[in-house]
Amino acid sequence: DVKVTQSSRYLVKRTGEKVFLECVQDMDHENMFWYRQDPGLGLRLIYFSYDVKMKEKGDIPEGYSVSREKKERFSLILESASTNQTSMYLCASSESGATYGYTFGSGTRLTVV
Amino acid sequence: KQEVTQIPAALSVPEGENLVLNCSFTDSAIYNLQWFRQDPGKGLTSLLLIQSSQREQTSGRLNASLDKSSGRSTLYIAASQPGDSATYLCAVPSWTSGTYKYIFGTGTRLKVLA
Repeated sequence: DVKVTQSSRYLVKRTGEKVFLECVQDMDHENMFWYRQDPGLGLRLIYFSYDVKMKEKGDIPEGYSVSREKKERFSLILESASTNQTSMYLCASSESGATYGYTFGSGTRLTVV
Repeated sequence: KQEVTQIPAALSVPEGENLVLNCSFTDSAIYNLQWFRQDPGKGLTSLLLIQSSQREQTSGRLNASLDKSSGRSTLYIAASQPGDSATYLCAVPSWTSGTYKYIFGTGTRLKVLA
């Protein structure tokens, strides 16, 4: 089975800190995605990548950046964490093409204080 | 622009009932539809992936159907159990910026009472 691993289940960071959220997948998937999930707002796409060193903005990229130096790893970076970035962050991966579904990681609950 | 709607937003049923969750999408030109389950504070677990050429997919007590022409999918859960309590989300792919990304519904929160 495809496994998508997010390095932390829970994180607490201070306002202004630089925060790294890591995601690793073990099935050689081309596509990787970062979402945040908030009550009443559903899943919102932050960034995605369809190849190494490629990145595309999603619907809410402001305040975030990403890095994909290796195919298996996709990192989400909060340059200067703010309290409104407190959220559940979900990473997903998929093969390239229209017929393949997503596999999600277990999520990282980030609290910014 | 593709939009995905799930009704009802919440559902509470007694154990043993058969139930149907609904998913509607506005653009019928989809390649597939995926159903997920999410437990509180956890990630999404894939339940079923239905390709556009299929009308149904089954996994245990779960059966998902897809009617592209009407823009609808249903997830049928037979003989519901308290362990089925979770939020169920559907998603369809949309082409953008060189790849397909999924558009998600806001989910149906299911509670099965013992």
